[in-house]
Amino acid sequence: GNSVTQMEGPVTLSEEAFLTINCTYTATGYPSLFWYVQYPGEGLQLLLKATKADDKGSNKGFEATYRKETTSFHLEKGSVQVSDSAVYFCALSYGNNRLAFGKGNQVVVIP
Amino acid sequence: EAQVTQNPRYLITVTGKKLTVTCSQNMNHEYMSWYRQDPGLGLRQIYYSMNVEVTDKGDVPEGYKVSRKEKRNFPLILESPSPNQTSLYFCASSLSFSDTFYPYNEQFFGPGTRLTVL
Repeated sequence: GNSVTQMEGPVTLSEEAFLTINCTYTATGYPSLFWYVQYPGEGLQLLLKATKADDKGSNKGFEATYRKETTSFHLEKGSVQVSDSAVYFCALSYGNNRLAFGKGNQVVVIP
Repeated sequence: EAQVTQNPRYLITVTGKKLTVTCSQNMNHEYMSWYRQDPGLGLRQIYYSMNVEVTDKGDVPEGYKVSRKEKRNFPLILESPSPNQTSLYFCASSLSFSDTFYPYNEQFFGPGTRLTVL
């Protein structure tokens, strides 16, 4: 089947720290991979995407590389800000425009 | 402004009282979908629609109905709500595969509807 696994638990870190959120996937075929972000009280927004192996998606200082050999798409940012506090979802696309989401990680950045 | 709108944003109701959550998009998207978000479970798809009059079940369709009579609207109907349907609901839309050369489909999400069933 198609599924996404994100690391357990919230992530709390200080401003300017390095952020990593792990994401691994199981899929049939060759899915596209996404990171969505949900700010408090809002819907999800696409943060970045990658459509094939070794592609690197990037946006707003965040990066993730599509690693087929390790079936991973880890999200990284070198220096987080308080405004990056949000819930982050990893997702993959499969047949009929469908998305499979991970459970999400709450990120809290402390000034 | 391109957007997906949902109404109501907040709703408290009682078990068994039929309700409808509306969803509308102004981007001429063929594809629309409903998700529910629950703590520790992420987003799970309820129903989706590839185009007008074409709908299909997602991962958790039990207790829900949908219809797609117009391209822009995709209402979610709870005929007899129960407390286990208390959740945060999101509508989303995107272009279908046939309308883009890109092998991905960015889904645009509405702001969410927080439903409480007592």
